[in-house]
Amino acid sequence: GENVEQHPSTLSVQEGDSAVIKCTYSDSASNYFPWYKQELGKGPQLIIDIRSNVGEKKDQRIAVTLNKTAKHFSLHITETQPEDSAVYFCAGRSFGNEKLTFGTGTRLTIIP
Amino acid sequence: EAGVTQSPTHLIKTRGQQATLRCSPISGHTSVYWYQQALGLGLQFLLWYDEGEERNRGNFPPRFSGRQFPNYSSELNVNALELEDSALYLCASSLKQVSSGYTFGSGTRLTVV
Repeated sequence: GENVEQHPSTLSVQEGDSAVIKCTYSDSASNYFPWYKQELGKGPQLIIDIRSNVGEKKDQRIAVTLNKTAKHFSLHITETQPEDSAVYFCAGRSFGNEKLTFGTGTRLTIIP
Repeated sequence: EAGVTQSPTHLIKTRGQQATLRCSPISGHTSVYWYQQALGLGLQFLLWYDEGEERNRGNFPPRFSGRQFPNYSSELNVNALELEDSALYLCASSLKQVSSGYTFGSGTRLTVV
């Protein structure tokens, strides 16, 4: 089955700087890669996703890149703000399998 | 549009008891997924239901079970509770499309004492 690895496990950046979180996946048949943000006491919220036929996708300060050859994808947050502090999870899903496999999460702390 | 709703928000049970957790998906979503999130850990896949059938199951013992009702709501049952079952149980729903994402509820915090 799919295995998703995520790093770093913790990340602290100064407010206004950029943050990058990286994930690798094992199943070459995976074709959908969402990112979730989980704030304290809440369920994970989908913030951006990318499909395997696209190399990059942007949504305001958030972007995701996908390298199918290397089987890795990354989340980029620019101009970080205090409200970006949360735990971020990457995930992957194989074609024909509805189940998402999640990475172990990255705790992002924005330092004012 | 109402999101995914889970009840109860918190649940405290004694070791050996049974717990029942409930989930109502977003209207129009036919798939429901259950995940366990132990403190400080990631999301571990438990169960996937679609159109009333169990479609996939994670690496959990048989005392974790559930069902999906005709209105697509779902129930997770945990029998013979153990202390290590203490966790946040998250329910998510989605359309039956490979390229659609999940929408999660806020979870049920189960504490076994």
